Amino acid sequence: SQTIHQWPATLVQPVGSPLSLECTVEGTSNPNLYWYRQAAGRGLQLLFYSIGIDQISSEVPQNLSASRPQDRQFILSSKKLLLSDSGFYLCAWSVLGGRGGSYEQYFGPGTRLTVT
Amino acid sequence: AQSVTQLGSHVSVSEGALVLLRCNYSSSVPPYLFWYVQYPNQGLQLLLKYTTGATLVKGINGFEAEFKKSETSFHLTKPSAHMSDAAEYFCAVSKIYNQGGKLIFGQGTELSVKP
Repeated sequence: SQTIHQWPATLVQPVGSPLSLECTVEGTSNPNLYWYRQAAGRGLQLLFYSIGIDQISSEVPQNLSASRPQDRQFILSSKKLLLSDSGFYLCAWSVLGGRGGSYEQYFGPGTRLTVT
Repeated sequence: AQSVTQLGSHVSVSEGALVLLRCNYSSSVPPYLFWYVQYPNQGLQLLLKYTTGATLVKGINGFEAEFKKSETSFHLTKPSAHMSDAAEYFCAVSKIYNQGGKLIFGQGTELSVKP
């Protein structure tokens, strides 16, 4: 069966510090991978998605970047954190179904980031 | 363009009462539709999905949803609410013919269950 891991679970970082959040998927090959952010009391915002190694698409301009060095590894980074980067970060994976649409996405447990 | 609207950001029901969470979508082609549940400080968990075939789909925890093309709706129901159902619920539609298999999520509905 497939599993998705995210770490760390919680993180408190000062403004201006770097960030690295990691996501790995087990039990599937060549998944689509996604990074989302949930700000307090708000919905899901898609930040990045990837259809393959080194193939990253950004959905919104921001202070963050993403990389996919291996097939089942997805990393979210920042060189200098802002207060507005605080939130709950979720990684997800999917496989494409018919008509190019995703049958469903499976989510990791999330990382709670607080920038102070 | 595809979009998802969840009517009501907060819904409160009594334990044992019917749960009805509303979701309407817009899509130029038959979509794939999903409901997810999120408990505090956890990731999203898939409740159920509609891709093709039977329009009434059953999911986990006693939930079900019916795809109504004429009404462009995919409402989530449960006959009898349980305290453990208190959570945030998200409706989503899959972007079709778009690279990346992205989902479009509604803004979410927070369900409260009163004893």
